Amino acid sequence: AQSVAQPEDQVNVAEGNPLTVKCTYSVSGNPYLFWYVQYPNRGLQFLLKYITGDNLVKGSYGFEAEFNKSQTSFHLKKPSALVSDSALYFCAVRDNRAAGNKLTFGGGTRVLVKP
Amino acid sequence: EAGVTQFPSHSVIEKGQTVTLRCDPISGHDNLYWYRRVMGKEIKFLLHFVKESKQDESGMPNNRFLAERTGGTYSTLKVQPAELEDSGVYFCASSQDWQVTGELFFGEGSRLTVL
Repeated sequence: AQSVAQPEDQVNVAEGNPLTVKCTYSVSGNPYLFWYVQYPNRGLQFLLKYITGDNLVKGSYGFEAEFNKSQTSFHLKKPSALVSDSALYFCAVRDNRAAGNKLTFGGGTRVLVKP
Repeated sequence: EAGVTQFPSHSVIEKGQTVTLRCDPISGHDNLYWYRRVMGKEIKFLLHFVKESKQDESGMPNNRFLAERTGGTYSTLKVQPAELEDSGVYFCASSQDWQVTGELFFGEGSRLTVL
């Protein structure tokens, strides 16, 4: 079984400050990890993924995430948040032992960046 | 290139009625997925088509839900009869990679409200 936890329902940050959105996961095999973002009235957009290789993954819009196997975490980070980063962020995992492309999502974290 | 499109964007129906949601995947994507987010909770997998075949329908909640993908192009998801707990946002996604190391491309979702 695979699962994802996003412990924070909402994260508030001032514009220009660092932004961190937390994600922890559980899988039987090795994880494929993803971050998606949903802007208001829009669909889910892919931000970045970790499949293998370097633990630090860089993605769209200046976001990055660090895979930490010992802590089973994949926190999303941005060094300097923008007001336009205000959105709903979803972490997702797939167990590499699982067939198909079934992703398990976390409950989402709403990010509010204040000017 | 057109993205994943879903119709309708919002549907309001009464309990016991029928609703059909439609998804047009990105052209050439053999893999099509349905997910839903109910009551602001996590996004949950419903099913996965490869072309016209159901690869995995383990997430379908009950027999009131029927998904089809005739001809391996667009897909429909019918809820009959709808219940209050079916309210939520239904997302469709498509991908080209069977092994899913690539990302899923999501539509904007169809919001279903059952009164």
